[in-house]
Amino acid sequence: AQSVAQPEDQVNVAEGNPLTVKCTYSVSGNPYLFWYVQYPNRGLQFLLKYITGDNLVKGSYGFEAEFNKSQTSFHLKKPSALVSDSALYFCAVRASRGGYQKVTFGTGTKLQVIP
Amino acid sequence: NAGVMQNPRHLVRRRGQEARLRCSPMKGHSHVYWYRQLPEEGLKFMVYLQKENIIDESGMPKERFSAEFPKEGPSILRIQQVVRGDSAAYFCASSLDTILNSPLHFGNGTRLTVT
Repeated sequence: AQSVAQPEDQVNVAEGNPLTVKCTYSVSGNPYLFWYVQYPNRGLQFLLKYITGDNLVKGSYGFEAEFNKSQTSFHLKKPSALVSDSALYFCAVRASRGGYQKVTFGTGTKLQVIP
Repeated sequence: NAGVMQNPRHLVRRRGQEARLRCSPMKGHSHVYWYRQLPEEGLKFMVYLQKENIIDESGMPKERFSAEFPKEGPSILRIQQVVRGDSAAYFCASSLDTILNSPLHFGNGTRLTVT
């Protein structure tokens, strides 16, 4: 069974500092990995995805994520945090086999950027 | 450019009543997913449907819950004889297809409160 772990319920970072939101995964075979962001009272919005190729993936709003196969991790990063980045972040994984594959989400990490 | 539309945004039901949640996918999307979100529990997969077919209902309770996605009209998630534990945010997502890495597009959710 596939799974996603987001070990931190909350991450606090000062505005202008770099941020990292951690994610590790477990899946049979090669993974497709995703990050989504959720603002209050809204649905999830897609940020970025890893399929294959470069381990560093760039996405929306200046976010990027680094795929590390040996550590089965896909941490979300941003060089300089903004107050407006404060939100709930979800990591998700699905297997890369063809056809229907379930997408499994982590429990989410609340990012608080302090002015 | 209408996204995924869910209604109602808020739904209050007394114990024992029925709740009907509606979801219209993005234009051109024929794959619909329902998720349930509880605080500190993340996003739990419930059911995946294509037009007129339930593909995966492994996350949906066997009793009281049902889902459909008819040829015409929105997808419906139906909860019969609601109980307080059904109170949660229910999110619908749609995708263009299931191959490769199509991201999910989420609606803003229906917040169900059972009194």
